[in-house]
Amino acid sequence: GESVGLHLPTLSVQEGDNSIINCAYSNSASDYFIWYKQESGKGPQFIIDIRSNMDKRQGQRVTVLLNKTVKHLSLQIAATQPGDSAVYFCAETPSGAQKLVFGQGTRLTINP
Amino acid sequence: DAGITQSPRHKVTETGTPVTLRCHQTENHRYMYWYRQDPGHGLRLIHYSYGVKDTDKGEVSDGYSVSRSKTEDFLLTLESATSSQTSVYFCATRDGQGFEKLFFGSGTQLSVL
Repeated sequence: GESVGLHLPTLSVQEGDNSIINCAYSNSASDYFIWYKQESGKGPQFIIDIRSNMDKRQGQRVTVLLNKTVKHLSLQIAATQPGDSAVYFCAETPSGAQKLVFGQGTRLTINP
Repeated sequence: DAGITQSPRHKVTETGTPVTLRCHQTENHRYMYWYRQDPGHGLRLIHYSYGVKDTDKGEVSDGYSVSRSKTEDFLLTLESATSSQTSVYFCATRDGQGFEKLFFGSGTQLSVL
């Protein structure tokens, strides 16, 4: 069945380093993928998305990579800052579907 | 938070009691969603609505019902609360555009004792 999972539940990085958060998905029909950031006590917020006809998309300090061959998604955060501390979720949806499937989430901790 | 208000923000109740959570939005968005968030499971969809009086089940709908009698309100009801329904509940809305325009409320922490 559909599932979206993350390889690691926690990730600690030094401030200023780059962070890479990984995600695996199993639904070959999914063609739209999103990364969300959730800060403590708040709801998730959209970070960046990518469609299956792309393999890379860049935003401000963030890059999403999509490898459809191995059904893998990653979020790269450049020059990690204390404000990047949060739980990061990947989510996926097949074309035309009205709902998202979320992964478990990875907690990113920034060390000073 | 795109004008989404969830109430109550916190609730403690006893097993077997009915509970209703409310999501109110001021954006006139067509789609509304209820998710629950539990450690190790991420966000799981309970029910969603694609218009007034139009709802459908998500992946964890057992024990929950919803109603949407007007565009701005989406109610989630636990008919007889159980301890397994202790969770953080999030409402989300979007206007029919892609999920990049999905906005979440701040959540309701529900504890069933």
